[in-house]
Amino acid sequence: SQQGEEDPQALSIQEGENATMNCSYKTSINNLQWYRQNSGRGLVHLILIRSNEREKHSGRLRVTLDTSKKSSSLLITASRAADTASYFCASPGLYNQGGKLIFGQGTELSVKP
Amino acid sequence: DTGVSQDPRHKITKRGQNVTFRCDPISEHNRLYWYRQTLGQGPEFLTYFQNEAQLEKSRLLSDRFSAERPKGSFSTLEIQRTEQGDSAMYLCASSQTSGGPDTQYFGPGTRLTVL
Repeated sequence: SQQGEEDPQALSIQEGENATMNCSYKTSINNLQWYRQNSGRGLVHLILIRSNEREKHSGRLRVTLDTSKKSSSLLITASRAADTASYFCASPGLYNQGGKLIFGQGTELSVKP
Repeated sequence: DTGVSQDPRHKITKRGQNVTFRCDPISEHNRLYWYRQTLGQGPEFLTYFQNEAQLEKSRLLSDRFSAERPKGSFSTLEIQRTEQGDSAMYLCASSQTSGGPDTQYFGPGTRLTVL
């Protein structure tokens, strides 16, 4: 069963606006990752945040992690039409072992030009 | 292009047939993962290898599924006696262990349709 729950399931915004996606998870983790998937294609790693970090930036991406609430958010600033994709959070398996990832159901982002 | 390749990209088969997919990871990566993804859902973990050893299998992986990584390089995933419920995108990923959390690099996937 999947560990993560993402919210919203779908998000439609205009180019230039910011997009925020949220992810909740169930067990204690030592890191959380975000991936992007263009329609019908493989996933691309965006950013990793460790459990001792509260916020991390990469270009137009900002990720926050609240381990007390078991939640994370991904903010994309100044969105572009090319950001249209599905975004997934992914956390480690039980006991943070083995390297496998447990993915949320994803947020489908549509950025209209 | 992440450097992980999968073959074939699309496979259409009839129920009851066997299918085999191949994944070629990034050459220096020691870990290789298989995931399955259905429409509108996130990928679900199936199994992973470290070098040639299969270290974990999901309960999703029924007896009809088998995966190998014979020389610690490419991997194959075979589904025997396919069922319509096996229709999905099968994703392969690879990573290099570094003592910390792995960043996984995904291939483009093999889309399986079982008629």
